[in-house]
Amino acid sequence: AQSVTQLDSQVPVFEEAPVELRCNYSSSVSVYLFWYVQYPNQGLQLLLKYLSGSTLVESINGFEAEFNKSQTSFHLRKPSVHISDTAEYFCAVSEQGSNYQLIWGAGTKLIIKP
Amino acid sequence: KAGVTQTPRYLIKTRGQQVTLSCSPISGHRSVSWYQQTPGQGLQFLFEYFSETQRNKGNFPGRFSGRQFSNSRSEMNVSTLELGDSALYLCASSKADGIETQYFGPGTRLLVL
Repeated sequence: AQSVTQLDSQVPVFEEAPVELRCNYSSSVSVYLFWYVQYPNQGLQLLLKYLSGSTLVESINGFEAEFNKSQTSFHLRKPSVHISDTAEYFCAVSEQGSNYQLIWGAGTKLIIKP
Repeated sequence: KAGVTQTPRYLIKTRGQQVTLSCSPISGHRSVSWYQQTPGQGLQFLFEYFSETQRNKGNFPGRFSGRQFSNSRSEMNVSTLELGDSALYLCASSKADGIETQYFGPGTRLLVL
């Protein structure tokens, strides 16, 4: 991928409200897509990924993301956020044939307001 | 199964010094990647090693180097430290030659004075 854009550096949202974190990429070839999460003072961990098949992928803690090829997007959504979702979320893309190198977005800090 | 471990966790150095950071991947993982994370620049890819060979490299100066040993453990070295090298350095390992999930360590926080 040439680049990965996460448009929002911070997203404040009230607890139990829905949230969408946006991720767009630029690439002319097929891609693999990832969302990673970094909780305060921790390393990153995989939240969900799209490699092939269904364009809607889900995580075990209620997040989902949909691969939209025409829009070159992979937005992350959750219908109802919890205080424990406070973290920074990173979108990453790997182009097929790129030696699996990941290109990372700048990250979006999800701030949950009580 | 033990996760990715990084040592040391915290480090304070002065300008001009050099530093070596260590990363032990998850058992059975052959790929190790290094990243620099700063508030201003976000997460930036340094390099990746697979089976003791550097497979991918980011856009960092030659002061940043790395290596991987036969047991897949990896080290990263930064020579002639600059103030701007202050950052969280993250190591990630993955299983094999293919698009695999990366598992991150907790990072080494380097402060250059």
